Amino acid sequence: QKEVEQNSGPLSVPEGAIASLNCTYSDRVSQSFFWYRQYSGKSPELIMSIYSNGDKEDGRFTAQLNKASQYVSLLIRDSQPSDSATYLCAVNDSWGKLQFGAGTQVVVTP
Amino acid sequence: DVKVTQSSRYLVKRTGEKVFLECVQDMDHENMFWYRQDPGLGLRLIYFSYDVKMKEKGDIPEGYSVSREKKERFSLILESASTNQTSMYLCASSPIVISGNTIYFGEGSWLTVV
Repeated sequence: QKEVEQNSGPLSVPEGAIASLNCTYSDRVSQSFFWYRQYSGKSPELIMSIYSNGDKEDGRFTAQLNKASQYVSLLIRDSQPSDSATYLCAVNDSWGKLQFGAGTQVVVTP
Repeated sequence: DVKVTQSSRYLVKRTGEKVFLECVQDMDHENMFWYRQDPGLGLRLIYFSYDVKMKEKGDIPEGYSVSREKKERFSLILESASTNQTSMYLCASSPIVISGNTIYFGEGSWLTVV
C-alpha cells in the first residue's frame, strides 16, 4: 500500500466550477499535510499547508483535514484555466520524511 | 529567495554511460534531496543528505549514488545509465526540520537514456 494515495485523474472541471481533490494517507502519526501545484515541465510549488482538523481557506483554495479518517482534500473554487495543472498531496510521515502522492491532473475547460 | 539550481535541464545519454547531475543551493540548508518523477508515480525519493559527507537511502536508491563534499552541493550519480532511468530528476533542499512548507525545489533535469 502506498503511503499517500490520490486519484490520478484527469479531473475535468468547467470554468467557474469547484474542483475537489482527495488524498488519503496511511501513517496515523502524520501531523503535517501539504498541497503542491505543478505545471507541466515545472517544479512543484506549495499552495496550501494544513496541520489541524477542519478547514483552512486561502483565497480560492480550501484545504480540509480529517485525521480520524486519514483524509485530506483540496477544493478550488471558481476554477480558472490557469488552475489546469497536476496537484500533489504531501505528508510528513512519522520519520520526518516528506511522502508525496502520485498527483491528480486537473483540466479546467472554458 | 532560496535558489536551488540544477546545472543541466536536458540531457541525452547512452546506455552504460556515467551520468552526473549537479545541484547547488544558496541558503545554507542542511538537508538536500534527489527525487525522480515519473507519470503516475509522483515524486520518489532516491537519496537525501542531512550534512556534508552524510547520505541516506531513500525509497529507490538502486542504480544511483550521491556525493556531498560541500554543504551547498549535492550530486546524483548514475554509474551506468540504463533506459529505465529515463526520467525527470528534481533536487530539493530544506532546513534541518523537513517540512512541506520549507522544502525548495530546483527546476528539474530531464534525462533521456538511449
